[in-house]
Amino acid sequence: AQSVTQLDSQVPVFEEAPVELRCNYSSSVSVYLFWYVQYPNQGLQLLLKYLSGSTLVESINGFEAEFNKSQTSFHLRKPSVHISDTAEYFCAVRVLSGSARQLTFGSGTQLTVLP
Amino acid sequence: DTGVSQNPRHKITKRGQNVTFRCDPISEHNRLYWYRQTLGQGPEFLTYFQNEAQLEKSRLLSDRFSAERPKGSFSTLEIQRTEQGDSAMYLCASSLGRTDQPQHFGDGTRLSIL
Repeated sequence: AQSVTQLDSQVPVFEEAPVELRCNYSSSVSVYLFWYVQYPNQGLQLLLKYLSGSTLVESINGFEAEFNKSQTSFHLRKPSVHISDTAEYFCAVRVLSGSARQLTFGSGTQLTVLP
Repeated sequence: DTGVSQNPRHKITKRGQNVTFRCDPISEHNRLYWYRQTLGQGPEFLTYFQNEAQLEKSRLLSDRFSAERPKGSFSTLEIQRTEQGDSAMYLCASSLGRTDQPQHFGDGTRLSIL
C-alpha cells in the first residue's frame, strides 16, 4: 500500500517570499507523483506531475517540484508567491503497475499568502 | 474540453434519507473515479470504472453505497439510509485509459446530513 505525508498542515508566508511545501511518500513499488491545488468550494486542479525523466518538473504559474527517490520526497517550491496562490495543496501518488488506478492523497497543506 | 461536471453542487438531507449524485466526465475519458473528502483531509478513493465496468471498490464503500455507470458515460453514486458520518464532499474525476494520464476533477457535491 502507498501513503503520502504532508508534514505541514498550514504554511503562512508573506507575498513575494519563497515557499516550500513538503511531501514524502511511502511505496513498495514505483509511483507517479502529482501536486493538485484546491480553491475553496472547488474541485482539485492538477498543478504538476512527475512521470519519468528529469526529476525537476515545472508548472505554468511558477511552481516547481523535485522528485528525490532516495529521500522519497516530492517537495513543491515557488520562489515568489502571490496573494492568488492562497489555496490548499495536495500531494498524491499513483502506482505505475498492477490493478490499482486510484490516487492516494496526503492530508493537504493550506498555503496562506499574507500582504 | 468542457470539464467534469457534478450535480448537484450541494445536497442537504435528513439522516436516513437516500441521496443520489451525478457525474458527467470529460467526453473522451473512459475511466471514472469517485472520491470522498472530509473537512481538513485529502480525498479518499471510493470506486473506479473503466467504461461501464466497476473494477475496484474501496473498503470505505459500505453496502449503503452503490455506484453505476450504465453506458460508460455519466455515473451516479447513491447513498442509502444516510448517516451523520456521510457528510463530506464527494468528488468525481475522469481520465484517459493510460496509467500516466492525469485525473481531472469536478467541483464536487457537498453533502450535509441534518
